Amino acid sequence: GNSVTQMEGPVTLSEEAFLTINCTYTATGYPSLFWYVQYPGEGLQLLLKATKADDKGSNKGFEATYRKETTSFHLEKGSVQVSDSAVYFCALSDPSNDYKLSFGAGTTVTVRA
Amino acid sequence: GAVVSQHPSRVICKSGTSVKIECRSLDFQATTMFWYRQFPKQSLMLMATSNEGSKATYEQGVEKDKFLINHASLTLSTLTVTSAHPEDSSFYICSARNRVDSPLHFGNGTRLTVT
Repeated sequence: GNSVTQMEGPVTLSEEAFLTINCTYTATGYPSLFWYVQYPGEGLQLLLKATKADDKGSNKGFEATYRKETTSFHLEKGSVQVSDSAVYFCALSDPSNDYKLSFGAGTTVTVRA
Repeated sequence: GAVVSQHPSRVICKSGTSVKIECRSLDFQATTMFWYRQFPKQSLMLMATSNEGSKATYEQGVEKDKFLINHASLTLSTLTVTSAHPEDSSFYICSARNRVDSPLHFGNGTRLTVT
């Protein structure tokens, strides 16, 4: 079956530090990969996505590259801000599973000024 | 962009009562809606999938008689927690999509507290 494993948190950083959150996956088909962000008390927002191998998704300074050879989709940002404090979820959708999303456990990131 | 509105954002109810949560797609037709439950500091657990005009499909371990889902129109799905108990207290989130390969759009969630 499909599964997503992401780095456990919580992660605490200082402003302008480099952020990386590891994410690996297993899938039976050819999945699309996503990073979602959840701010306190809110639902999920799509941060970025990649639909095929070697694609790079990017948004708001965040980047992630779909690596089929390592089945990974690590999230990175070169210089975080306090406003980046949130929970980040790695997810995949597999056409062989009706494109249902499978989520990782989530990583809580806190950025301190 | 596409917006999904979920209401209410917070609800407190007494044990034994029922609570209805609405999920609306505001600017697109949601042929499929998903309902999730999120426990504190945990990931989202898919509860059920609802397709407009048909019965919901529940994930293993989810009681269909307790969590009633209705998807009567292309813009509205409802989740009713029947005879709620304190262990049903959780954060419930809906998501919606137009076509099967369309992006998913999420509501802002409903914090249910059963006293």
